[in-house]
Amino acid sequence: TQLLEQSPQFLSIQEGENLTVYCNSSSVFSSLQWYRQEPGEGPVLLVTVVTGGEVKKLKRLTFQFGDARKDSSLHITAAQPGDTGLYLCAGAVDDYKLSFGAGTTVTVRA
Amino acid sequence: DADVTQTPRNRITKTGKRIMLECSQTKGHDRMYWYRQDPGLGLRLIYYSFDVKDINKGEISDGYSVSRQAQAKFSLSLESAIPNQTALYFCATSDGTSGLYNEQFFGPGTRLTVL
Repeated sequence: TQLLEQSPQFLSIQEGENLTVYCNSSSVFSSLQWYRQEPGEGPVLLVTVVTGGEVKKLKRLTFQFGDARKDSSLHITAAQPGDTGLYLCAGAVDDYKLSFGAGTTVTVRA
Repeated sequence: DADVTQTPRNRITKTGKRIMLECSQTKGHDRMYWYRQDPGLGLRLIYYSFDVKDINKGEISDGYSVSRQAQAKFSLSLESAIPNQTALYFCATSDGTSGLYNEQFFGPGTRLTVL
């Protein structure tokens, strides 16, 4: 059973549109990470959020950690084809173990 | 050069064969991990190691074994491969001094097919 549920599973949008990916759990995490994975490659860390209510921005990507540290969201503004990929959230269960969500496949059409 | 490398990148084998996947890293991290990725299931932890003398089972270790030959090398073996071990396999590393963050760095993966 996965601790983290991601939604939606698939998302296809036109270039320039906005999108939001959600990562939810009934468990509390000490920190939560977002990774992006492109075909034929391993996941690459985008951001780590630690404090409940924290918001971090990475260019057009905005990451938010829920107040109770059980959920997170990733919002992309004005998506570009280069944003295409599999987005994974991962919660730190302790200082060595991560629990991954199943991922959201994002396709941005030119 | 990549910080975390995996060999081979692709492998097709037959049921019952022994196969080894290798991982090397130049990040100087103490902690290394092996995951498998299946569609719709995300990444699941097979084994992890905190140093050469410390090996631990993850959530799906049955049918797998590992060897930490050096700080920089961590190999995964399938003693007798079966078709449901067909998956993408990833090696990852992390810096044990990063506290609660446990930010992990992944290799490019090995696509394994067991016929």
